[in-house]
Amino acid sequence: AQSVSQHNHHVILSEAASLELGCNYSYGGTVNLFWYVQYPGQHLQLLLKYFSGDPLVKGIKGFEAEFIKSKFSFNLRKPSVQWSDTAEYFCAVKGLAGNNRKLIWGLGTSLAVNP
Amino acid sequence: DAGITQSPRHKVTETGTPVTLRCHQTENHRYMYWYRQDPGHGLRLIHYSYGVKDTDKGEVSDGYSVSRSKTEDFLLTLESATSSQTSVYFCAISETERGAGTGELFFGEGSRLTVL
Repeated sequence: AQSVSQHNHHVILSEAASLELGCNYSYGGTVNLFWYVQYPGQHLQLLLKYFSGDPLVKGIKGFEAEFIKSKFSFNLRKPSVQWSDTAEYFCAVKGLAGNNRKLIWGLGTSLAVNP
Repeated sequence: DAGITQSPRHKVTETGTPVTLRCHQTENHRYMYWYRQDPGHGLRLIHYSYGVKDTDKGEVSDGYSVSRSKTEDFLLTLESATSSQTSVYFCAISETERGAGTGELFFGEGSRLTVL
């Protein structure tokens, strides 16, 4: 069965620290990949996406993610976090082939950035 | 702004009562979804719709029904609410590519439901 694994459930950083959140998925075919962010008390919004092309994707607010097909990974990075990045981050994967075209979600990573 | 409105935004009800949550979109998107979000469970799909009167079950559909009589409205009904249905409910719409959902979702603001 398809699955998405986010390795870090809770991350605490100080401002200006670098961030990397892991996301691995299990799916044998072509995929669309997403990172969504949910700020406290708000709804989810798209942070960045990968459909095809350059595997290094840049999103809003200085975030980027790299798709490594051989590792089935789509890790999220930011070189220097800010207090305003405190939020929950969700990785999601949508299969594009065969009968399994569902959008599968990771359980989320809660990021707290201390000022 | 994806033009998605959920109502009510907050509701407290008692066990056994029916509850209907409404999702309204202004963008004429074909695909609409209802998710629930609970601590430790992330987002779980309840039902989705791929057109007027075309709906299908998600992974946690028991105890929920949906209807879509117009493109712009997608209703989620709890026929007899239970405490386990206390949650935050999000409606979402999807961009499409070649007629299929891409996975890129735009979410409503959420409806917080408490069942006592």
